[in-house]
Amino acid sequence: DAKTTQPNSMESNEEEPVHLPCNHSTISGTDYIHWYRQLPSQGPEYVIHGLTSNVNNRMASLAIAEDRKSSTLILHRATLRDAAVYYCILRLGGAGSYQLTFGKGTKLSVIP
Amino acid sequence: DSGVTQTPKHLITATGQRVTLRCSPRSGDLSVYWYQQSLDQGLQFLIQYYNGEERAKGNILERFSAQQFPDLHSELNLSSLELGDSALYFCASSGQVLNTEAFFGQGTRLTVV
Repeated sequence: DAKTTQPNSMESNEEEPVHLPCNHSTISGTDYIHWYRQLPSQGPEYVIHGLTSNVNNRMASLAIAEDRKSSTLILHRATLRDAAVYYCILRLGGAGSYQLTFGKGTKLSVIP
Repeated sequence: DSGVTQTPKHLITATGQRVTLRCSPRSGDLSVYWYQQSLDQGLQFLIQYYNGEERAKGNILERFSAQQFPDLHSELNLSSLELGDSALYFCASSGQVLNTEAFFGQGTRLTVV
């Protein structure tokens, strides 16, 4: 899988929007962009994924640059429960395969 | 609740011993993945099974092995345990559709003393 680069840590105030960046300059045309997060003492949790177009779901939005070399996960109103490590992962699709290669991620702290 | 069940939640054992970790995937999911998370290595992919067959292998040691049974549950066997094997072991499952989400269990915390 191609490599991603994320800031080690970020801070946000509660109820403010949060923009978590991810660079993936070596992304290939068939790589999907996935975001997972891991709350303390829990397993990773799927957040969102996309290929080319921006995506929205109940948890977050994913903004993908036109050249696909970067993306941004947007949490519209951070809550204390959103404090977690956020992982940006590129995944090459393949039948029956879902190998995710996790990097170090971004540790998000939410300030009350 | 992700629907993926891992047992036991905690395990303490001595060096040189063998343990078995168990994972029940979400109902209907054919793929099971095993990951190891230690403080210094982060989340490392170990192995994947799809409908009973090994599909992909990652950084899995020769002392470790896994299998997926006909009822789709999976077991990860760790033998000749060393202090460095102490870690959180996660199981994940996913369905057949390409690029859908993977669901992770709560993990088994293994401590080797």
